[in-house]
Amino acid sequence: KAGVTQTPRYLIKTRGQQVTLSCSPISGHRSVSWYQQTPGQGLQFLFEYFSETQRNKGNFPGRFSGRQFSNSRSEMNVSTLELGDSALYLCASSYGTSGGAAQETQYFGPGTRLLVL
Amino acid sequence: GENVEQHPSTLSVQEGDSAVIKCTYSDSASNYFPWYKQELGKGPQLIIDIRSNVGEKKDQRIAVTLNKTAKHFSLHITETQPEDSAVYFCAASMDMLTFGGGTRLMVKP
Repeated sequence: KAGVTQTPRYLIKTRGQQVTLSCSPISGHRSVSWYQQTPGQGLQFLFEYFSETQRNKGNFPGRFSGRQFSNSRSEMNVSTLELGDSALYLCASSYGTSGGAAQETQYFGPGTRLLVL
Repeated sequence: GENVEQHPSTLSVQEGDSAVIKCTYSDSASNYFPWYKQELGKGPQLIIDIRSNVGEKKDQRIAVTLNKTAKHFSLHITETQPEDSAVYFCAASMDMLTFGGGTRLMVKP
């Protein structure tokens, strides 16, 4: 089985721009979660999507949004980029049980490294 | 919300020695505790997990213990090998994963 894929792998943007990151989950997985990883704040949960609906959300401003398509692929969007948004954005997929992704094994992709100048 | 503290932040051991990483959590409602290993340039990979109804779990050289009363859990790696060198993250979860700050483990050959 192919693993979780994320595109692009690297991205450079300037302040004020917006960016869209893409994630393709493992075949058969219906839940996709997004995380931000920075040296200062560590790994932080952004949101989880299941069956095209946001099922859970972390403590991030509304500039961070996402969506999921009927084939379970997901995108996340960051609008009005700030310098502090520079980070590794990780996507994780899981089967999607009734307990939510936070209660089951999540498989992470390699991440998209975003640099905001 | 949940807060997870992880110690030590760096750990250097000799090949063949054991390594122990400890985490504490704050929310007694958390009931799922996974451990992830992250190698350079890769995303985290689950290595072992434990649920709150279990006190200990072992998988070959890796074991995890959970003390619900004290709200702490630990990762034990025995007979360490150079390929165990990586950053390890603990996490606690009820409805969302909250990660510890990570431990950089270096195994010297």
